[in-house]
Amino acid sequence: DAGVTQSPTHLIKTRGQQVTLRCSPKSGHDTVSWYQQALGQGPQFIFQYYEEEERQRGNFPDRFSGHQFPNYSSELNVNALLLGDSALYLCASSPTGGLVGELFFGEGSRLTVL
Amino acid sequence: AQRVTQPEKLLSVFKGAPVELKCNYSYSGSPELFWYVQYSRQRLQLLLRHISRESIKGFTADLNKGETSFHLKKPFAQEEDSAMYYCASPQRYSGAGSYQLTFGKGTKLSVIP
Repeated sequence: DAGVTQSPTHLIKTRGQQVTLRCSPKSGHDTVSWYQQALGQGPQFIFQYYEEEERQRGNFPDRFSGHQFPNYSSELNVNALLLGDSALYLCASSPTGGLVGELFFGEGSRLTVL
Repeated sequence: AQRVTQPEKLLSVFKGAPVELKCNYSYSGSPELFWYVQYSRQRLQLLLRHISRESIKGFTADLNKGETSFHLKKPFAQEEDSAMYYCASPQRYSGAGSYQLTFGKGTKLSVIP
């Protein structure tokens, strides 16, 4: 099991563009959460997907949207990119019935907005 | 809303010296707290949870409700302990398994040989 995998690992965009980040959860995990980690900060919760629906959302604008597919993989979309969107985007998965607080993280997608 | 605070951005200790990484929390209800670690070029991973009361890689953390703290401790630091450490707390929602983790800003531990 490769664990949580994310793509791409790095990408550069310009202001106003749109970006799509992808995540494959750990085998057997059905819940996917996305976090944004700005430089020097801890991860900040964006939203969580379960059964192909957004179950919870953090304090992020509607420019941030996502999707979960039947195979539990997920995408994070960010529209109208701002310089402040530059960050490491982390995907984390967990199984239904798993221990609360135990998330399995990917290595992240580092987004740079110029 | 739950908050966790890690007052130190960087902590440097010599190998063999004791380590204490601080975490304070504000919480309504029964607190649940975790420590996550990120070694260089590795992914963020769970180190230990408060309910397990176990020692992982020589680290322990005790929940002190009076001081609202959950400090991470190790009696003798090793070079391989150098990493970023994050304190985290879940905010639960209705629905089994529905929660988000709130992380502190992290403390970088540097163990000097």
